[in-house]
Amino acid sequence: DSGVTQTPKHLITATGQRVTLRCSPRSGDLSVYWYQQSLDQGLQFLIQYYNGEERAKGNILERFSAQQFPDLHSELNLSSLELGDSALYFCASSVVASGLNEQFFGPGTRLTVL
Amino acid sequence: AQSVTQLGSHVSVSEGALVLLRCNYSSSVPPYLFWYVQYPNQGLQLLLKYTSAATLVKGINGFEAEFKKSETSFHLTKPSAHMSDAAEYFCAVSEDSGGSNYKLTFGKGTLLTVNP
Repeated sequence: DSGVTQTPKHLITATGQRVTLRCSPRSGDLSVYWYQQSLDQGLQFLIQYYNGEERAKGNILERFSAQQFPDLHSELNLSSLELGDSALYFCASSVVASGLNEQFFGPGTRLTVL
Repeated sequence: AQSVTQLGSHVSVSEGALVLLRCNYSSSVPPYLFWYVQYPNQGLQLLLKYTSAATLVKGINGFEAEFKKSETSFHLTKPSAHMSDAAEYFCAVSEDSGGSNYKLTFGKGTLLTVNP
């Protein structure tokens, strides 16, 4: 158990819908990262927050957005969902926003878009 | 831009045999390198990391990796494979460029199968 929690574990929805994925980082971790894992794209970085502020952006679609709240939990919002958005979404956290710090991964949310 | 190449999407070994999973990286600055393992239906777990302290890095479960700057490689090895090592392994690089970009860039992964 990494200490990072993600809810829900599974999500099945239809095209065009909007969903919210939630992540609670390890106690004391200020930095949260979101990754998408799909068969064709592999593991890809989406976005990073540090202590409530956006720090880095990857290949995140405009239909996707995220935020980190004062209690440090984070939410990833996916809207106008398409079939291709079906993937495993991971949240990771680290103590600080530093390249040498280990990122601890949550168990993931499996999103299926029908 | 940083990148990671894992040679071999699938490696199959016999129980007790040497495990060698290959990783080459591309980075414009001295990198931080990581190996993660993913068991079926689980998240990623860190096996080991290189942060410039020592070129030979020991990790959990008997794994180790050697950083070779001249070859831009960070191959993962284990002397004797166990059935429980069957999983997918990901090599990743993180650049501390001094800016705000601390993402991990992952390789495509190598699926390790251990045969009895």
